[in-house]
Amino acid sequence: DAGVIQSPRHEVTEMGQEVTLRCKPISGHDYLFWYRQTMMRGLELLIYFNNNVPIDDSGMPEDRFSAKMPNASFSTLKIQPSEPRDSAVYFCASSPTSGALGQYFGPGTRLTVT
Amino acid sequence: GQQVMQIPQYQHVQEGEDFTTYCNSSTTLSNIQWYKQRPGGHPVFLIQLVKSGEVKKQKRLTFQFGEAKKNSSLHITATQTTDVGTYFCAGRSGGSYIPTFGRGTSLIVHP
Repeated sequence: DAGVIQSPRHEVTEMGQEVTLRCKPISGHDYLFWYRQTMMRGLELLIYFNNNVPIDDSGMPEDRFSAKMPNASFSTLKIQPSEPRDSAVYFCASSPTSGALGQYFGPGTRLTVT
Repeated sequence: GQQVMQIPQYQHVQEGEDFTTYCNSSTTLSNIQWYKQRPGGHPVFLIQLVKSGEVKKQKRLTFQFGEAKKNSSLHITATQTTDVGTYFCAGRSGGSYIPTFGRGTSLIVHP
């Protein structure tokens, strides 16, 4: 398996623009997580899905953020409109039901909003 | 809510010295996981501890879970430059499937 795949790897955009981050989890994994990592706040869980259903989005900072998982092999995280404070590395991770082998993180998307 | 604290935030060592990072939870944990993130990389799962007082080893790395299941430690013996990175603990409590990550300890190894 190729592991968790994220695209794009880098994104530079201007304030006010819409940003869409994409994730392909590992096949067979039931859980999918979106995290944001910054120096100031560390690794923050934004939202997670179980069997494509959003379970907890309490970490989503505000209404500008939305996430979808239309099928078991694809998820998106959208920011509209983007702001400079959204600049961070966004990780997608997946795990099987048992969780005993931890979460498998993708390489991340480094987002810069100018 | 559950909080997981990690200390120290940073640790500089000379190559060959030992290193330890500590993880403390405000609540009793059902299990704890450890991850390593290399600079510019992504977190990579290292291990999971489940039992009270459990000790596991991976080569030069020793992981411990406290008797009360509220703290854990990672000890690296004779550090190498390849050990550089940030080590995170992530604890799960109660019936929650989702672990709470600590802020991590960044290890800097000087050759």
